Amino acid sequence: AQKVTQAQTEISVVEKEDVTLDCVYETRDTTYYLFWYKQPPSGELVFLIRRNSFDEQNEISGRYSWNFQKSTSSFNFTITASQVVDSAVYFCALGAVLVTGANSKLTFGKGITLSVRP
Amino acid sequence: DTGVSQNPRHKITKRGQNVTFRCDPISEHNRLYWYRQTLGQGPEFLTYFQNEAQLEKSRLLSDRFSAERPKGSFSTLEIQRTEQGDSAMYLCASSLYSHLSIDRKLFFGSGTQLSVL
Repeated sequence: AQKVTQAQTEISVVEKEDVTLDCVYETRDTTYYLFWYKQPPSGELVFLIRRNSFDEQNEISGRYSWNFQKSTSSFNFTITASQVVDSAVYFCALGAVLVTGANSKLTFGKGITLSVRP
Repeated sequence: DTGVSQNPRHKITKRGQNVTFRCDPISEHNRLYWYRQTLGQGPEFLTYFQNEAQLEKSRLLSDRFSAERPKGSFSTLEIQRTEQGDSAMYLCASSLYSHLSIDRKLFFGSGTQLSVL
C-alpha cells in the first residue's frame, strides 16, 4: 500500500523567511512519481512539480526548491523568501506507475497549511 | 483554454436526496478523474475514465455512487440517497494521456462542495 505522511499540519512564518515543508512516503514500487500541489483558498489544486523515482536531482524553480532523497523516502519542499501569496495548503502526493504506464491514481498526504504573515 | 470546470460550486441537500455534479475537462484531455476531499484531509481517488471507458473505481465508491462520461467529454458524478458522511469537496481533474508517454500533470477544477444536512 502507498502512504504519504506530512507530519507538519500548520506552519506560520513571517514574510521573507525561508520555510521547508516535509514529505515522507511509503511504497513497495520501484518506479513511482512524487508531486507537490498547492491549494489556495479558492480550492483549486495547482500543480507545482512532478519528480520521477529514478531521478534524484534536486530542482529549483525561482523561490521554490525540492530535495528528493530516496534513501530516506523524503521529498521536501522549500520556499525561499516567503511571500504572503504563498499562504495556502500544500499537498505532497505519490503516484504509481501502472501496467498502463500511467500514474493517474495519486495518494495524497493530509496537507500542510502555510500562513505567511506580512 | 478554459481549464477544468465543475458545477455547481456548492450544493446543499437533505439526507436521502440524490445529487449530481458535472465536470467539463480541458477539451483535448482524454483522461478524467474524480477525487473526494474531506475537511483537513488530502484528496482521495474515486474513479477515472479514459475517453468514455471507466477504467478504475476505488472501494470508496459505494453502490450509491455512479460516474459516467458518455461521450468522452464531460462527466457526471451522481450520489443516490445521500448520507451526512458524503459531505465533502468533490474534485475533478483531467489529463492528456498517450501510449508514448506517461500521464502528464493533472489539472484540477475548483470542486463542488457538498453539504448533506
